[in-house]
Amino acid sequence: ETGVTQTPRHLVMGMTNKKSLKCEQHLGHNAMYWYKQSAKKPLELMFVYNFKEQTENNSVPSRFSPECPNSSHLFLHLHTLQPEDSALYLCASSQEQGQGGYTFGSGTRLTVV
Amino acid sequence: KNEVEQSPQNLTAQEGEFITINCSYSVGISALHWLQQHPGGGIVSLFMLSSGKKKHGRLIATINIQEKHSSLHITASHPRDSAVYICAALNNDMRFGAGTRLTVKP
Repeated sequence: ETGVTQTPRHLVMGMTNKKSLKCEQHLGHNAMYWYKQSAKKPLELMFVYNFKEQTENNSVPSRFSPECPNSSHLFLHLHTLQPEDSALYLCASSQEQGQGGYTFGSGTRLTVV
Repeated sequence: KNEVEQSPQNLTAQEGEFITINCSYSVGISALHWLQQHPGGGIVSLFMLSSGKKKHGRLIATINIQEKHSSLHITASHPRDSAVYICAALNNDMRFGAGTRLTVKP
């Protein structure tokens, strides 16, 4: 365990389903990140929250909706996804945006069928 | 062209060999990270450095700020070192290399 916990570890969902990914950290970090890792591609930044405020939305389609109710929790709500959205979704946290070491979760492997 | 380039993409070594993975970046950075990703997907931070050299066990990371280049070395490699090693440049955002897949054979 790295200190950043992601659930579920694996998720299979249909294109019409609605699901949510959860990320939790109790490291006292104030910045949390969602990344997407597709096969054979570098990690892509999706969203950043710094002190609970969204500071980055990296041109992510609206079928992905983040939520950060407090500095310890981050959600990614999914609806009407496409098969090409199948990927590993990684959450990370750091002391503040762009500062300090990043701690990553184990990821959620998402398959859209 | 990616802002962070790693080489090689794939590397196979025999147990005990000395390993070097290289990273070049084209952006200004506040720090350079080396990350390790195991087959399950989870990522572990190995080093964060902004100058010089850091050592942790059999792992050594160096950085040359002027040349915008960093290397990760593994001494006396072991099969459990098999993983994907990712270089990431930090400046407000993290920019990631594509990773180097290392396989160490017994």
